[in-house]
Amino acid sequence: AQSVTQPDIHITVSEGASLELRCNYSYGATPYLFWYVQSPGQGLQLLLKYFSGDTLVQGIKGFEAEFKRSQSSFNLRKPSVHWSDAAEYFCAAGKTSYDKVIFGPGTSLSVIP
Amino acid sequence: DTAVSQTPKYLVTQMGNDKSIKCEQNLGHDTMYWYKQDSKKFLKIMFSYNNKELIINETVPNRFSPKSPDKAHLNLHINSLELGDSAVYFCASSSWGRGEDTQYFGPGTRLTVL
Repeated sequence: AQSVTQPDIHITVSEGASLELRCNYSYGATPYLFWYVQSPGQGLQLLLKYFSGDTLVQGIKGFEAEFKRSQSSFNLRKPSVHWSDAAEYFCAAGKTSYDKVIFGPGTSLSVIP
Repeated sequence: DTAVSQTPKYLVTQMGNDKSIKCEQNLGHDTMYWYKQDSKKFLKIMFSYNNKELIINETVPNRFSPKSPDKAHLNLHINSLELGDSAVYFCASSSWGRGEDTQYFGPGTRLTVL
């Protein structure tokens, strides 16, 4: 069955520290991959996406993600976290432009000063 | 200029009532979706429509009935509301068949059933 997993339910980092959020997917073929962020009480905002090509994808707010086919992973990274990055992060995957997007369970990020 | 908008943002109602949530997108997309986010923040698709045609219909009680009057609108009507329907409902939209797909989400409607 298709699935997206995010092994870390909650992560706490210090402001200025680097961040890596993990995401693994299980699909028959390489799906489209996304990272969304949800700030408290807000909707989902797309951070970045991968469809094909360069496996290192740059997104908004200084985030990047690396697609690794051999590991079925699409981990999100940021070199220096800001307090405003505290939010819920969702990894998602879909097969085609009209297929449903399957979301991972989310990783809650806390940032301490 | 909100890309995907939902109304209302908050909805508090009694069990057994019927309510609707409206969604509109001004992105020119032809596919729209409804997702439910439960109290544990788990997001699950409920429905999707392409050009007003139902494409995806996950295992959702038939008390939930989506209606798409045109490509820019997808409303969600819920009959006989139950406590378990309390959640945040997100509308999203995307383009079909352009070679890449991004779903853009609305701000969500927080439904509380008392």
